Amino acid sequence: DTEVTQTPKHLVMGMTNKKSLKCEQHMGHRAMYWYKQKAKKPPELMFVYSYEKLSINESVPSRFSPECPNSSLLNLHLHALQPEDSALYLCASSQGLSRGPNSPLHFGNGTRLTVT
Amino acid sequence: KQEVTQIPAALSVPEGENLVLNCSFTDSAIYNLQWFRQDPGKGLTSLLLIQSSQREQTSGRLNASLDKSSGRSTLYIAASQPGDSATYLCAVKGSGGSNYKLTFGKGTLLTVNP
Repeated sequence: DTEVTQTPKHLVMGMTNKKSLKCEQHMGHRAMYWYKQKAKKPPELMFVYSYEKLSINESVPSRFSPECPNSSLLNLHLHALQPEDSALYLCASSQGLSRGPNSPLHFGNGTRLTVT
Repeated sequence: KQEVTQIPAALSVPEGENLVLNCSFTDSAIYNLQWFRQDPGKGLTSLLLIQSSQREQTSGRLNASLDKSSGRSTLYIAASQPGDSATYLCAVKGSGGSNYKLTFGKGTLLTVNP
């Protein structure tokens, strides 16, 4: 069992829908990440939160909107997506950016998103 | 820009065989290197993390080595089992201004045949 929990496991949405992906961890980690993974490709970093503040946005389109309500939760709000946004969206956490550069990343099992 | 290469892209072995997966990276200024396992349609499971000051890490049948100066790491799997079948990814975390970012290789797809 993974210590990072993502919901839902699967999501199908139309291009006009608004949906949200959720991620939760209770390891006391202060850095949380969103990654996107296309089939047979490595994960690509999207966003990094450190102490509940957005630290890094890897030039992600505005139709993806992250939110960190508290230190245990991370959301990714989706609106007006395109079919090419279909992918596995992975959440990860680590101890922290400045205090724990050598701490490992712990990944969730991801949300399989299909945009129709 | 850091680039990570994994060789081979795919590997098929009979059960019980010992095997080695290779990972190379272009910029030796790293904090650490992490090996992950990914089952189809699933997330990544961390296997081993080697800090830049370390030479190797072991967990059970897995042993990972790091030669930072030459930009190489290997993952050794002893006595392989069908349950080891998965994609294995290595990722390096850069030092300097990019201490947040993991750069992944494309992975090695391992199949262990019973």
